[in-house]
Amino acid sequence: QKEVEQDPGPLSVPEGAIVSLNCTYSNSAFQYFMWYRQYSRKGPELLMYTYSSGNKEDGRFTAQVDKSSKYISLFIRDSQPSDSATYLCAMSAPANAGGTSYGKLTFGQGTILTVHP
Amino acid sequence: DSGVTQTPKHLITATGQRVTLRCSPRSGDLSVYWYQQSLDQGLQFLIQYYNGEERAKGNILERFSAQQFPDLHSELNLSSLELGDSALYFCASSVAPGSNQPQHFGDGTRLSIL
Repeated sequence: QKEVEQDPGPLSVPEGAIVSLNCTYSNSAFQYFMWYRQYSRKGPELLMYTYSSGNKEDGRFTAQVDKSSKYISLFIRDSQPSDSATYLCAMSAPANAGGTSYGKLTFGQGTILTVHP
Repeated sequence: DSGVTQTPKHLITATGQRVTLRCSPRSGDLSVYWYQQSLDQGLQFLIQYYNGEERAKGNILERFSAQQFPDLHSELNLSSLELGDSALYFCASSVAPGSNQPQHFGDGTRLSIL
């Protein structure tokens, strides 16, 4: 079983829809949670960065973390065709004394999103 | 533009060969990370450097090695290449090592092994 599970989709929605993207994870040591957006032939672009549980909003994007359920979500309001991309969740654990997790990101498989006009 | 620069953008070579991928981190970032992205495995962490020193290792093959130079740029060396090494290789950088530091990615090097 993978440490981070993400539904690969693909997900196709009409312009203006609310999009919900989700990841579940099994490692309770994860404390930092990120969402990246990746366009074709480009690198992952950091969208949202949260620590521990709670919500964070940035424009049309809202990230939610529920550590008790080991579940994170990204909501996109008023979706636009320019939001069409692959969305990757990523998470990391605090650096430990052994130094084996110094900022290492563990990614989900990515969800392919298409927003059609 | 993330500020992380990777060269070359695309590399085509043959099995058994050796290649070097280069990464320049964002200005002010001291930590560099290398990741491999393939269709079946997704994005996988390879190795991390901070201020010239190796800090963490992931599932990096023994045929692969990396280093970070005094000017903070990093190189990933891949040798005895196999068909399965064909993938996208990304470099990311952050201000300092540690999970509380957001990582910013370059646009990657696409490696094709023929």
